[in-house]
Amino acid sequence: GEDVEQSLFLSVREGDSSVINCTYTDSSSTYLYWYKQEPGAGLQLLTYIFSNMDMKQDQRLTVLLNKKDKHLSLRIADTQTGDSAIYFCAESWYGGATNKLIFGTGTLLAVQP
Amino acid sequence: GAGVSQSPSNKVTEKGKDVELRCDPISGHTALYWYRQRLGQGLEFLIYFQGNSAPDKSGLPSDRFSAERTGESVSTLTIQRTQQEDSAVYLCASSSDRGGYEQYFGPGTRLTVT
Repeated sequence: GEDVEQSLFLSVREGDSSVINCTYTDSSSTYLYWYKQEPGAGLQLLTYIFSNMDMKQDQRLTVLLNKKDKHLSLRIADTQTGDSAIYFCAESWYGGATNKLIFGTGTLLAVQP
Repeated sequence: GAGVSQSPSNKVTEKGKDVELRCDPISGHTALYWYRQRLGQGLEFLIYFQGNSAPDKSGLPSDRFSAERTGESVSTLTIQRTQQEDSAVYLCASSSDRGGYEQYFGPGTRLTVT
């Protein structure tokens, strides 16, 4: 099936680290993504990781990939109130002539001042 | 440069009417995607265009939905005889190559069917 699962909600205090988790289904996915959606806005690509990597770091963001368990996580260091948003993980799916992203249902991150 | 743009940003329509949503991809992007996001849910893939290849329409939920794209430019998504369950945000994305490593999303069109 094509189910990407995420926990629905995460609450952290400003300055703490946030870890958002995701499990995906397709072991052949080449790329895995994290998108951020702020209220009333479109999706912003935060980062992505190639499936042959275990970790990718980009400033305050760290992505960890456990391909064996099909588990992806996003760690945000020193979380700020501006990080409050919905975070979606997505896996790439290639089939024949097509290419699409399969999205999780999103994790609402609430940052308490 | 300019990002992906969509119009209208909001559309309210009566049940049974047809609607047309527009997407302008980033210039030079050969791949274009439409997704639907229902309230409180993730995105559902609808359709994929790559250059002049036949589109992948496998995500379209019914034959009331259709989409067109001329070359590598503007795309329109048409919903005929709208139903209340069509209410959602319709998002368009584009990417620069077949691999679609980075899909850039537009702000979406919020469709409300009354």
